[in-house]
Amino acid sequence: AQSVTQLDSHVSVSEGTPVLLRCNYSSSYSPSLFWYVQHPNKGLQLLLKYTSAATLVKGINGFEAEFKKSETSFHLTKPSAHMSDAAEYFCVVSEGSYDKVIFGPGTSLSVIP
Amino acid sequence: ETGVTQSPTHLIKTRGQQVTLRCSSQSGHNTVSWYQQALGQGPQFIFQYYREEENGRGNFPPRFSGLQFPNYSSELNVNALELDDSALYLCASSVRGMTSYNEQFFGPGTRLTVL
Repeated sequence: AQSVTQLDSHVSVSEGTPVLLRCNYSSSYSPSLFWYVQHPNKGLQLLLKYTSAATLVKGINGFEAEFKKSETSFHLTKPSAHMSDAAEYFCVVSEGSYDKVIFGPGTSLSVIP
Repeated sequence: ETGVTQSPTHLIKTRGQQVTLRCSSQSGHNTVSWYQQALGQGPQFIFQYYREEENGRGNFPPRFSGLQFPNYSSELNVNALELDDSALYLCASSVRGMTSYNEQFFGPGTRLTVL
């Protein structure tokens, strides 16, 4: 069975410092993995996706994530946080059919000026 | 290009009532998925519609039902509302293609409160 764990419910960083949001997954098959961002009162936006190509995935707004099969992890990083990055971030796993899309519980990112 | 829109933005109902939420897909998209997002949690997949038929369902009871229309817009209906149905309901549209998962574009959601 699929599952997603986001290890931190809340992360706080200073503007200009690196961001690390952690995600671990469990899947019976080779999964597709995604990160979505949700700003208040706005829809979810896809940041990046891994679908069995390169293990280091680059996304929008300077975010990237590395798929590590041995660690079953897909952590999201950004070298330098910006105030506009403050939002809720969701790690998502899919085993290939729409009815098996699993969202993690989310990590709230705060950016301190 | 118009994005995914949902109506209404907010809704208050009482226990036992019925509710209909609406979603307009992004132009050119033929697939609609609905999610329930309880406060402080990630979205949970309710079901998906493709070519006006339900095509995949999550762990939700039959009182959650839906429709997809020829113009690919969609409705989510919930009967016999319960307090636990209070949540943000998200609609997402996508294009069914060659890959098994295609990017879903989400609407801003409808906030349902059940009293």
